[in-house]
Amino acid sequence: GENVEQHPSTLSVQEGDSAVIKCTYSDSASNYFPWYKQELGKGPQLIIDIRSNVGEKKDQRIAVTLNKTAKHFSLHITETQPEDSAVYFCAARDYKLSFGAGTTVTVRA
Amino acid sequence: DTEVTQTPKHLVMGMTNKKSLKCEQHMGHRAMYWYKQKAKKPPELMFVYSYEKLSINESVPSRFSPECPNSSLLNLHLHALQPEDSALYLCASGQNQPQHFGDGTRLSIL
Repeated sequence: GENVEQHPSTLSVQEGDSAVIKCTYSDSASNYFPWYKQELGKGPQLIIDIRSNVGEKKDQRIAVTLNKTAKHFSLHITETQPEDSAVYFCAARDYKLSFGAGTTVTVRA
Repeated sequence: DTEVTQTPKHLVMGMTNKKSLKCEQHMGHRAMYWYKQKAKKPPELMFVYSYEKLSINESVPSRFSPECPNSSLLNLHLHALQPEDSALYLCASGQNQPQHFGDGTRLSIL
């Protein structure tokens, strides 16, 4: 089955700086790569996704890149704000979503 | 506001009790999901319903019994649970993948 590795496990950034989270996957058949943000006491929220036929996608301050050859994808958050503090999960789908272990992002004011 | 509604938000039950978790969505999504999430861990898939039929059971113990009465509702019936079943239970819906999650039911087994 699919195995997704996510790094780093924790990330602390100064407000206004950028944050980058990286994930690798094992199954070349995976074709869909979403990112979720989970705030304390809430369920995961889909924030951006990318399909295997696209290399990059951007939505305001967040962007995702995909390198199918290397089997890795990354989340980039620019101009971080305190409300970006949360746990972020990457995932990859073959027949089901397999999640990375999560990254706890803390934005320091 | 979440578009997937889960009740109850919290549940404490003994190992001999029977209880049910409920989930509702009105977005017309054809797939609904149950996930289990332990503290500081990612969600783990339990069940997937597609067009009201069970399509995936991730080898979940029979003390968890899912039910999909109609396209908007998803239940998870619980019986004879173990202390290790204490977790956050998340429901999700989507067209082909989980797009919207509820805020979960926090379950504690005494």
